[in-house]
Amino acid sequence: DTGVSQDPRHKITKRGQNVTFRCDPISEHNRLYWYRQTLGQGPEFLTYFQNEAQLEKSRLLSDRFSAERPKGSFSTLEIQRTEQGDSAMYLCASSPKIRLGNEQFFGPGTRLTVL
Amino acid sequence: DAKTTQPTSMDCAEGRAANLPCNHSTISGNEYVYWYRQIHSQGPQYIIHGLKNNETNEMASLIITEDRKSSTLILPHATLRDTAVYYCIVRGAGTASKLTFGTGTRLQVTL
Repeated sequence: DTGVSQDPRHKITKRGQNVTFRCDPISEHNRLYWYRQTLGQGPEFLTYFQNEAQLEKSRLLSDRFSAERPKGSFSTLEIQRTEQGDSAMYLCASSPKIRLGNEQFFGPGTRLTVL
Repeated sequence: DAKTTQPTSMDCAEGRAANLPCNHSTISGNEYVYWYRQIHSQGPQYIIHGLKNNETNEMASLIITEDRKSSTLILPHATLRDTAVYYCIVRGAGTASKLTFGTGTRLQVTL
């Protein structure tokens, strides 16, 4: 069990550029979540996949954000036309289908800085 | 999901028990109490969860009051590595949906 991995760990970009982040969940976890965390705040939910189906999206996920999980394994989160307000830590988590506690296992996050 | 209230920060001496309180007065009958923690620059880490009985695992103990309106996370012998932000979250265990984090309690363990 190698845990949830995220790539890159850090990304610095200029306003208006597009960025894409990748998340590799724990093997055989069919549920995958994306969260965003700004300084001093707890993580905020963005979206959730069960296998390849995107089942829930937060209102925080504006039309500049898109997430995919094409084969039910890894997922990507793309932000188009980045704004300074997008600067945050983007966290990915996964959980297995059958687990009473339904705890989520988080990756280390991707820290985005928009200049 | 029910709202939770936690103190902003707490201190604890190394080796002593750390008792972190959480109020969740609007919790409903089928909602569980979850605790996660986040060490600086890392993703959140699951600690423990419970419904109405007290729970214990290798990391911590969870004490839930009889009326379920509050709970306490206990780290029996805090170490410097327990310094983190601790989040108390209420949600239905059968759901697969999001975790709703508040701002948590920043626990500082000191020598």
